[in-house]
Amino acid sequence: GQSLEQPSEVTAVEGAIVQINCTYQTSGFYGLSWYQQHDGGAPTFLSYNALDGLEETGRFSSFLSRSDSYGYLLLQELQMKDSASYFCAVSAGNTPLVFGKGTRLSVIA
Amino acid sequence: NAGVTQTPKFRILKIGQSMTLQCTQDMNHNYMYWYRQDPGMGLKLIYYSVGAGITDKGEVPNGYNVSRSTTEDFPLRLELAAPSQTSVYFCASTRAERRYNEQFFGPGTRLTVL
Repeated sequence: GQSLEQPSEVTAVEGAIVQINCTYQTSGFYGLSWYQQHDGGAPTFLSYNALDGLEETGRFSSFLSRSDSYGYLLLQELQMKDSASYFCAVSAGNTPLVFGKGTRLSVIA
Repeated sequence: NAGVTQTPKFRILKIGQSMTLQCTQDMNHNYMYWYRQDPGMGLKLIYYSVGAGITDKGEVPNGYNVSRSTTEDFPLRLELAAPSQTSVYFCASTRAERRYNEQFFGPGTRLTVL
């Protein structure tokens, strides 16, 4: 089977940087995705890493280390609108995408 | 493109009633999924489909049924609703490639069973 671990809650100050970690256990790993979900909304895709290293998209970056079965989402210049839940998800084998339980990010002034 | 659309947005059912949650996508995606999300929790896969005429169970299929007669539509049927099925239901779709499968989600259906 597959399993993912990520912190349940993170709090950070507006304008700061926050890192949300995700560790996974799976076989036949293809890649790690990140999704954002605001309260009352649907999940939306943020990023995908298949290779080791950092992928940057504006204020958001995502990192993957395949050897450590570990990745993180980095949010810079935090804004109040970044308050949301963030899910990591693993693509592996012939199984559908498996989501973690999510990290609730609260951005405070 | 409308993307993934779901109807209804909200529904209240009585115990034992049945209903169908509708999901349609206009992106010509082969893969479609149904998830449920309980308050403060992650997404649990109910059923998925890799193409018209093909469906498979996910993590929590009991109490649900699906069909996929066309590429566009993937309805979810609840038979004999129970309070444990109170949840938000999301439909999602993705293009065929499994290795990079950005999923596009519908807005969700908020279901309460009383």
